[in-house]
Amino acid sequence: DILLTQSPAILSVSPGERVSFSCRASQNIGTSIHWYQQRTNGSPRLLIKYASESISGIPSRFSGSGSGTDFTLSINSVESEDIADYYCQQSNSWPRTFGGGTKLEIK
Amino acid sequence: EVQLQQSGAELVKPGASVKLSCSASAFNIKDSYMHWVKQRSEQGLEWIGRIDPANGSSKYDPKFQGKATITADTSSNTAYLQLVSLTSEDTAVYYCAVGLPAYWGQGTLVTVSA
Repeated sequence: DILLTQSPAILSVSPGERVSFSCRASQNIGTSIHWYQQRTNGSPRLLIKYASESISGIPSRFSGSGSGTDFTLSINSVESEDIADYYCQQSNSWPRTFGGGTKLEIK
Repeated sequence: EVQLQQSGAELVKPGASVKLSCSASAFNIKDSYMHWVKQRSEQGLEWIGRIDPANGSSKYDPKFQGKATITADTSSNTAYLQLVSLTSEDTAVYYCAVGLPAYWGQGTLVTVSA
């Protein structure tokens, strides 16, 4: 199975700051990584697909980068509504796996 | 607009089984994989498995083999997740999702308690 390691577990930033989330895969998965946002008591929402492809309806402040084993989700200017857990997920092979998540807190 | 409507919360006794449903609208489930994902309270997301409704083939995470069975009824555009021999470890919210997954249902809370 492909292990996805997200770091850090918790990120605390001030509104307007730029923040980056890291996701590292245990083996080369090309760009088969997707990012999800999950607000409290909500369902996951797809933010970025295939490492860097944007999703219709998602604010442009969200972007993704990376390939191979190292991936990054960035929020250009954090807003209070971005408080949530963020997960990466790989679709390179079965079984699909998720990272453990990073919690975003606003200072 | 793609929508996935999941069945309501379940309270089940240890050792029992439960079958959850996920009804799709605005798309044909034959056109995409349907996934099920588990999330225990305050925990992360665990992929259970998926079905290709076009041919009925399914794949599972090995840790859910024997615990979960995913089926689909293309006539009603609905996917199902059956869980057997329930224990407290199965208490969780279960999500259905479609595609990457790109769209998710609202989740169904399953509580296993005597």
